[in-house]
Amino acid sequence: QQQVRQSPQSLTVWEGETAILNCSYEDSTFDYFPWYHQFPGESPALLIAIRPVSNKKEDGRFTIFFNKREKKFSLHIADSQPGDSATYFCAARPTGYQNFYFGKGTSLTVIP
Amino acid sequence: GPKVLQIPSHQIIDMGQMVTLNCDPVSNHLYFYWYKQILGQQMEFLVNFYNGKVMEKSKLFKDQFSVERPDGSYFTLKIQPTALEDSAVYFCASSSGQNTEVFFGKGTRLTVV
Repeated sequence: QQQVRQSPQSLTVWEGETAILNCSYEDSTFDYFPWYHQFPGESPALLIAIRPVSNKKEDGRFTIFFNKREKKFSLHIADSQPGDSATYFCAARPTGYQNFYFGKGTSLTVIP
Repeated sequence: GPKVLQIPSHQIIDMGQMVTLNCDPVSNHLYFYWYKQILGQQMEFLVNFYNGKVMEKSKLFKDQFSVERPDGSYFTLKIQPTALEDSAVYFCASSSGQNTEVFFGKGTRLTVV
């Protein structure tokens, strides 16, 4: 049973468009939802994260929208740049634990 | 930023042999993790380790797996004996405390033949 589902598997947008990456989860005890990005040959790195007390978190061009009732959260990348091309992973962590459940990743390509 | 180093980046090993994956966590971090990613699948949690002990482990952390960090050196994942289904990329991670940012290494690609 996959705890965190991520879509789409791959996404291509033009430079300047908003890229939208989606995740859903099963366990209502999850209390922390980070997004990681990974460039080829590099480590996954934390991009932005949210806790269920909020339904929105912004950091520059990156915004997480969180819907607790529907158990969904999404990453919006505004004004996408070619340098944003990477694989993006959503994750969720259960309350009281330190481990993450990851989605399968979205490969984002931004075309100049 | 802080770096988690994993050595080696690739390893090929014969089925049934022992393998040790090495991780040099971020200096002064206290919590250490291993994740496994089979090609095309999500990263899956194996184990976390704190103060010399396994704190949490998943069902993927089979009896053939062990972890240790002797005397503050490398944090290691040992698989003995290896099986074909152990072929995957293994990511090491570390954090300074509970509920703090987790930093990942680049992964070690293990191929069991």
